[in-house]
Amino acid sequence: GAVVSQHPSWVICKSGTSVKIECRSLDFQATTMFWYRQFPKQSLMLMATSNEGSKATYEQGVEKDKFLINHASLTLSTLTVTSAHPEDSSFYICSARVAVGSYEQYFGPGTRLTVT
Amino acid sequence: QKEVEQNSGPLSVPEGAIASLNCTYSDRGSQSFFWYRQYSGKSPELIMFTYSNGDKEDGRFTAQLNKASQYVSLLIRDSQPSDSATYLCAVIGDNFNKFYFGSGTKLNVKP
Repeated sequence: GAVVSQHPSWVICKSGTSVKIECRSLDFQATTMFWYRQFPKQSLMLMATSNEGSKATYEQGVEKDKFLINHASLTLSTLTVTSAHPEDSSFYICSARVAVGSYEQYFGPGTRLTVT
Repeated sequence: QKEVEQNSGPLSVPEGAIASLNCTYSDRGSQSFFWYRQYSGKSPELIMFTYSNGDKEDGRFTAQLNKASQYVSLLIRDSQPSDSATYLCAVIGDNFNKFYFGSGTKLNVKP
């Protein structure tokens, strides 16, 4: 149980284009999903917290107009990187909270974004 | 500023030995503590979590929490080469919502 998927697993795009990453909870409903970014040899940095049916809460320093997050259902959250630039190249990982009141969160397999 | 500190390593241990990984945190209000294992190029996978002082054992893994000293450690008994990975410590703050991750400790288990 508690499986989280991400799609695509990797993507290469040209500078200036937009990329959408999907995060799905496969066998449970996730009221809260989290989006992280991880640069090589660094730890995970929380970008935003996504609650179903409401606007995402972004961490300080994360541009909400650049990283659009939509949590349309209890099993799907999307992250769109708009007008991507090479410095946005990173490993993007989502996670989902298993249940309300639970502190556990399970991670998706990640999406490697390369912007050329 | 909530901080979670880990020694980046690498920590090298021979196969069959006990690997000891340490983590300290700055926020006394931290409620729960998690250990994740991350293989290169993969996302983290949960190993175990704890929120009570003392030891919590799960198979070859033991999490040791000392809230007074603000540290949590992970012991891996009978270390295997497949345990070679980066281990991330994470804590939940007093808002019960955000995880704060350490930078991870790289563990090498030598056959």
